[in-house]
Amino acid sequence: SQQGEEDPQALSIQEGENATMNCSYKTSINNLQWYRQNSGRGLVHLILIRSNEREKHSGRLRVTLDTSKKSSSLLITASRAADTASYFCATEGGSSGDKLTFGTGTRLAVRP
Amino acid sequence: AAGVIQSPRHLIKEKRETATLKCYPIPRHDTVYWYQQGPGQDPQFLISFYEKMQSDKGSIPDRFSAQQFSDYHSELNMSSLELGDSALYFCASSLRGAGGSNQPQHFGDGTRLSIL
Repeated sequence: SQQGEEDPQALSIQEGENATMNCSYKTSINNLQWYRQNSGRGLVHLILIRSNEREKHSGRLRVTLDTSKKSSSLLITASRAADTASYFCATEGGSSGDKLTFGTGTRLAVRP
Repeated sequence: AAGVIQSPRHLIKEKRETATLKCYPIPRHDTVYWYQQGPGQDPQFLISFYEKMQSDKGSIPDRFSAQQFSDYHSELNMSSLELGDSALYFCASSLRGAGGSNQPQHFGDGTRLSIL
């Protein structure tokens, strides 16, 4: 069963613009992680934010977490064509133990 | 840096056949997870092992079984294959340790299983 919903489902932007993806979840969590997946390939871990953290940065990535609203956002600044991929949020913890429960994903297309 | 290795990358089987997927976790990682991703779907958790013992079980059919060996590699065995088993199968590993969670899971490139 899905833990999270992501929105938008698909996003198309111009290179250099910022991309924002949102994720909502339903149960309590220990952390929330964001992954990138190029078509038919493996999932690449981007960033992990713990339940007691509100914001985290890594390079051009900025993640926020609002546990009161059970939501998270991923911001990619100054996007590049190479950022074109699907992005998934995944939650860990609470009653789910340490397995990951994934959201539905956002397909990002960055036009050169 | 060493990553999670999965083999084979692609596998074609017919209905009712069996398949074995292999996973070699990152060295010194103590936890292995298996996920199934159907076409256009998000990954779904199947089963996990911590220090060679099954630690959690998800939506894994009874036709599937898995184990983790003394060298920490893991195998997912699938029998009586059905058309609906066609999917990408991912293995991930992490260093969970005694502290529990809050460690990222690192994924392999997956095995694409096609059932004819």
